[in-house]
Amino acid sequence: DTEVTQTPKHLVMGMTNKKSLKCEQHMGHRAMYWYKQKAKKPPELMFVYSYEKLSINESVPSRFSPECPNSSLLNLHLHALQPEDSALYLCASSQAPVESLVKTQYFGPGTRLLVL
Amino acid sequence: LAKTTQPISMDSYEGQEVNITCSHNNIATNDYITWYQQFPSQGPRFIIQGYKTKVTNEVASLFIPADRKSSTLSLPRVSLSDTAVYYCLVGGAGRRALTFGSGTRLQVQP
Repeated sequence: DTEVTQTPKHLVMGMTNKKSLKCEQHMGHRAMYWYKQKAKKPPELMFVYSYEKLSINESVPSRFSPECPNSSLLNLHLHALQPEDSALYLCASSQAPVESLVKTQYFGPGTRLLVL
Repeated sequence: LAKTTQPISMDSYEGQEVNITCSHNNIATNDYITWYQQFPSQGPRFIIQGYKTKVTNEVASLFIPADRKSSTLSLPRVSLSDTAVYYCLVGGAGRRALTFGSGTRLQVQP
């Protein structure tokens, strides 16, 4: 199974809402990632977890709160978002921890987020 | 961070070979070169990775000259389904390996 799943596929939320994005992989990977992608732009790294510990935070605003409850799950909690946060949010995983050689990243299909 | 430069877009026809070049002048000794393909509204998909010379798999070849300051992704006999954005990443460990360049938008015509 080389699949990374993400739920929901689409999400519309108001600026006062609290919502969560979920990501799951069952490949035994020890690194998991959140990326943000705006239309016609490349994915931008947000957070990296290695061995369920936050390893990299790319100075992401605190209205985005990541969580890694176990080695298979990655959440992104959203609160008080702005319309400019509307984007495709991608989750990925890779076998080795990010501190060693990063080989193949497996990406999920993404969650399309619209903030009104 | 290893900065990469790719053509913004390329056009091709079905059945042709397509070569996409990525420049990475400040590549480090421990850096690998990785290419991903992305279709609209989908996550990127790994295509190929290499360190030097030539790497080939069932979908593509990757050519890396001796100085490693550039690399070329070669797609043999493209089809309409190869229409996508192709990203070159350069890095080994840490955030160096996780930074996407601007990508090349390949359009394959019938």
